[in-house]
Amino acid sequence: IAGITQAPTSQILAAGRRMTLRCTQDMRHNAMYWYRQDLGLGLRLIHYSNTAGTTGKGEVPDGYSVSRANTDDFPLTLASAVPSQTSVYFCASSDGSSHTDTQYFGPGTRLTVL
Amino acid sequence: GQNIDQPTEMTATEGAIVQINCTYQTSGFNGLFWYQQHAGEAPTFLSYNVLDGLEEKGRFSSFLSRSKGYSYLLLKELQMKDSASYLCAVRDSNYQLIWGAGTKLIIKP
Repeated sequence: IAGITQAPTSQILAAGRRMTLRCTQDMRHNAMYWYRQDLGLGLRLIHYSNTAGTTGKGEVPDGYSVSRANTDDFPLTLASAVPSQTSVYFCASSDGSSHTDTQYFGPGTRLTVL
Repeated sequence: GQNIDQPTEMTATEGAIVQINCTYQTSGFNGLFWYQQHAGEAPTFLSYNVLDGLEEKGRFSSFLSRSKGYSYLLLKELQMKDSASYLCAVRDSNYQLIWGAGTKLIIKP
């Protein structure tokens, strides 16, 4: 059982290019999340999905889009990358129904936009 | 606005005890989480508090006071592998997690 996988592990991208970060979970969790983590700041929620077929905006959604076609996959797309999107991106999932609804994180994608 | 405050960095000695504090001001409260994050790795779940009091789990304990907007993580018998960042997060009224910037804990032999 892999849990949550993310791809790529790291990427250097030219500004203006389109990029999709992939996230797959095999825990059959209903809810999935995308965060970015920047030095000196807490994790910030970009987008989330409470169940397949639905998505919602988090704290910092501008410049990003997501889709949730099925339970397992939750890709994050940067339509036209800018240097301020340089960050470490974490995907997370939770079952969405338990008392604690603990979020479990993937290994992250380190993205550099030049 | 919503705010989670934690010390930026703390240093402790191997074998000792350390307490990492977290204060919060959020729109609503639906539980508080502590995560551990080693450098270059993903956050991993440590503890969850939703009622006031102390939750003990091995060498780690977490305390919550909802009236004071305050929590702490207590780490006993510190080991070198405990060197990591510790993240405090509160679930707000929208059921989203609001995260602190994390406390980097340095363990010295």
